[in-house]
Amino acid sequence: QQPVQSPQAVILREGEDAVINCSSSKALYSVHWYRQKHGEAPIFLMILLKGGEQKGHDKISASFNEKKQQSSLYLTASQLSYSGTYFCGTEIGGTSYGKLTFGQGTILTVHP
Amino acid sequence: KAGVTQTPRYLIKTRGQQVTLSCSPISGHRSVSWYQQTPGQGLQFLFEYFSETQRNKGNFPGRFSGRQFSNSRSEMNVSTLELGDSALYLCASSFGDEGYLSYEQYFGPGTRLTVT
Repeated sequence: QQPVQSPQAVILREGEDAVINCSSSKALYSVHWYRQKHGEAPIFLMILLKGGEQKGHDKISASFNEKKQQSSLYLTASQLSYSGTYFCGTEIGGTSYGKLTFGQGTILTVHP
Repeated sequence: KAGVTQTPRYLIKTRGQQVTLSCSPISGHRSVSWYQQTPGQGLQFLFEYFSETQRNKGNFPGRFSGRQFSNSRSEMNVSTLELGDSALYLCASSFGDEGYLSYEQYFGPGTRLTVT
């Protein structure tokens, strides 16, 4: 089942902060975050694993609440380059080799 | 390291034809996943290959198939194309593992398929 992202869209001015949430009804093994700009491939931002391990870009932070099956992506001091659509991809674990189930995306627009 | 490459980048086909798309993963990566992206359905998983074996498959009809070669390069094939197959097809490579460990996936630029 597809994870649910919120909000669907957010508009910021440079320097402002934003939080994007991803919620699943299934027990998750990992959560992956990607950003996609129009006409480009999704770019890896962060992976959060069950048990607390995480890996990603230094300027991106995220959390994973295993009890609630929720993840949040924190964008601080936003820059124009942060604009794009953010997707969370979830893995159930077990035999879900390489299968990410993506949310519907959150459109982030940063204005000068 | 070179990134994930996909060929061709754009393709126009007619209903009923078949198409083969190619993906070359990042050097050292052994897992390749394929996704279909459309405005209506978003990003949907097609299948994943590791060491020439399909380990996982999404909910797509049998017209969609794939394979992986010994050098980890992968191809996907769509037979008897339908208008609804028009989409951006993305492949993603990751380090992969014989067991189950989660690795980040790196996407290629995609192949934009238009079916007329």
